[in-house]
Amino acid sequence: DTEVTQTPKHLVMGMTNKKSLKCEQHMGHRAMYWYKQKAKKPPELMFVYSYEKLSINESVPSRFSPECPNSSLLNLHLHALQPEDSALYLCASSQDSGVEYGYTFGSGTRLTVV
Amino acid sequence: DAKTTQPPSMDCAEGRAANLPCNHSTISGNEYVYWYRQIHSQGPQYIIHGLKNNETNEMASLIITEDRKSSTLILPHATLRDTAVYYCIVRITGTASKLTFGTGTRLQVTL
Repeated sequence: DTEVTQTPKHLVMGMTNKKSLKCEQHMGHRAMYWYKQKAKKPPELMFVYSYEKLSINESVPSRFSPECPNSSLLNLHLHALQPEDSALYLCASSQDSGVEYGYTFGSGTRLTVV
Repeated sequence: DAKTTQPPSMDCAEGRAANLPCNHSTISGNEYVYWYRQIHSQGPQYIIHGLKNNETNEMASLIITEDRKSSTLILPHATLRDTAVYYCIVRITGTASKLTFGTGTRLQVTL
């Protein structure tokens, strides 16, 4: 299995809703990442997990809450989002070792906040 | 991580080689050059990376100048499916560190 799987592919939520995005990989990668991408812009890093511990938080608002329950799963919990949070949310993983063959990205969750 | 400079857009005829340049004049000795691409509405895809030697894989070739201040990604026979945004990134490898995307080059392959 050489894929990163993200669910759901599309999500519409209200500003008072709570929802979660899920990311899964079975490549044995020990680093996982969340990126946010607005239309016609490059992806922007949000969080980095290394060996299931949060190692980088790029000053993301607390309405985004990441969780790494095990080495294969990464969640992003969403609460009280704003319409400007509408974007493509990408998950990625990498080996986090002395040898690296690049990050593997999922196809993303397209989030619309109404 | 060192910054990179890429042209915002390029065109290439199908079947011809696409040569995508990248300047990274402030690259450090332990930073690698990575190339990713993003086809519309998909996640970025890793293409190739290198330190100072030229590299080739089934997707592309990477040519790095001797002073390491610039590089060129070569797609030897571009097809319509190679139409995408191509990102050149420099970073240290082997750690769960930031992979920071610049604005990239939008490559349009035409008939």
